[in-house]
Amino acid sequence: AQSVTQLGSHVSVSEGALVLLRCNYSSSVPPYLFWYVQYPNQGLQLLLKYTTGATLVKGINGFEAEFKKSETSFHLTKPSAHMSDAAEYFCAVSDRASGGYNKLIFGAGTRLAVHP
Amino acid sequence: KAGVTQTPRYLIKTRGQQVTLSCSPISGHRSVSWYQQTPGQGLQFLFEYFSETQRNKGNFPGRFSGRQFSNSRSEMNVSTLELGDSALYLCASSPGQDTGELFFGEGSRLTVL
Repeated sequence: AQSVTQLGSHVSVSEGALVLLRCNYSSSVPPYLFWYVQYPNQGLQLLLKYTTGATLVKGINGFEAEFKKSETSFHLTKPSAHMSDAAEYFCAVSDRASGGYNKLIFGAGTRLAVHP
Repeated sequence: KAGVTQTPRYLIKTRGQQVTLSCSPISGHRSVSWYQQTPGQGLQFLFEYFSETQRNKGNFPGRFSGRQFSNSRSEMNVSTLELGDSALYLCASSPGQDTGELFFGEGSRLTVL
């Protein structure tokens, strides 16, 4: 069965500092992996995705993530945090093993705080 | 292009009642999925519809049901509401059935008293 673990329910960084949000997955088939962001009282917005090909994936708003099969990880990074990055971030894996490509299994989320 | 539209945005019901939530996907998207978001359980998949057919279903009781119309609009229904059904219900549409890339609406926040 597919699963996702996000390490750290809360992460706090200073403006301009590196953002690192951790995600580990479990999948019985080659995974499709995603990072979504949720701002207060809003739905989720796709930041980036990995399906096949290049393991370093670039997304919107300066975020990127690297797929590491040997570590079963898909950590999200941004070189320099901005106040507007404060939000909740969700890592997800597609349940391809059961044929549910559009059935996403989400991690518990990491709330990112950015302070001046 | 208009995004995914969900109605109503907020609603309050009492235990035992039923509720219907509506979702209009992005134009041209034929896949619609529903998710429940709660502080305790996080984001959980309810079901997915593609071309009016349910393709996948999550682990929710039969009180939770849905359907999709020929114009791809979708509704979900929850009958005999329980306090634990209080949640943000998110609808997401996708351009295809095998991309895994979902576009979410802002959700319908249901409070059950």
